[in-house]
Amino acid sequence: DIQMTQSPSSLSASVGDRVTITCRASQSILHYLNWYQHKPGKAPKLLIYVASTLQSGVSSRFSGSGSGTDFTLTISSLQPEDFATYYCQQGYGSPWTFGPGTKVEIK
Amino acid sequence: QLQLQESGPGLVKPSETLSLTCTVSGGSISSESYYWGWLRQPPGKGLEWIGSIYYSGSAYLNASLKSRVIISVDTSKNQFSLKLSSVTAADTAVYFCARHTTSYGAYGVYFQRWGQGTLVIVSS
Repeated sequence: DIQMTQSPSSLSASVGDRVTITCRASQSILHYLNWYQHKPGKAPKLLIYVASTLQSGVSSRFSGSGSGTDFTLTISSLQPEDFATYYCQQGYGSPWTFGPGTKVEIK
Repeated sequence: QLQLQESGPGLVKPSETLSLTCTVSGGSISSESYYWGWLRQPPGKGLEWIGSIYYSGSAYLNASLKSRVIISVDTSKNQFSLKLSSVTAADTAVYFCARHTTSYGAYGVYFQRWGQGTLVIVSS
């Protein structure tokens, strides 16, 4: 199975901050990396697929980059509604696996 | 807009079978472009993909759970279901259903739409 790791596991940031989350795969997954936002009690939300493509309806303050084994999710200017947990997921090979999550909290 | 809603018992006894149904509304489960999957998240832990099914009934499962899992689809009801047998406390989790892309597409597999999840506790 392809193992996914994320860093940091949590971070505290203020509204307006630029936030970067890193995801690493245990082997090359080309560009098949997706990012999700999850708030407690809500359905997880797809933000970005194939590393850098913004899902329809998602704010352009979210962006993704990377290929191979190393990927990043950037929030250009953190908004109050962005406080949530973010997960990466590889879509290269079954079983589909997720990173452990990064919790973004209010400073 | 497509919506998915999980339903089923919130409490299951150890050694029994967990049964959940996902009802799809606002779209057809018989789409050729998507699979329908089950995932779970134990308290304080990460997301785990359990398995997925195509509208034709073709299913594929995570090998870690394969021996205990059955996933089925009922296109007439626009629903798909999960059965997990011989449950233990380790199966306590929030269970999600989701729609995902096919693996042979240009974009790999991503989970495009999710239900909000249902908590299942395994306890006597």
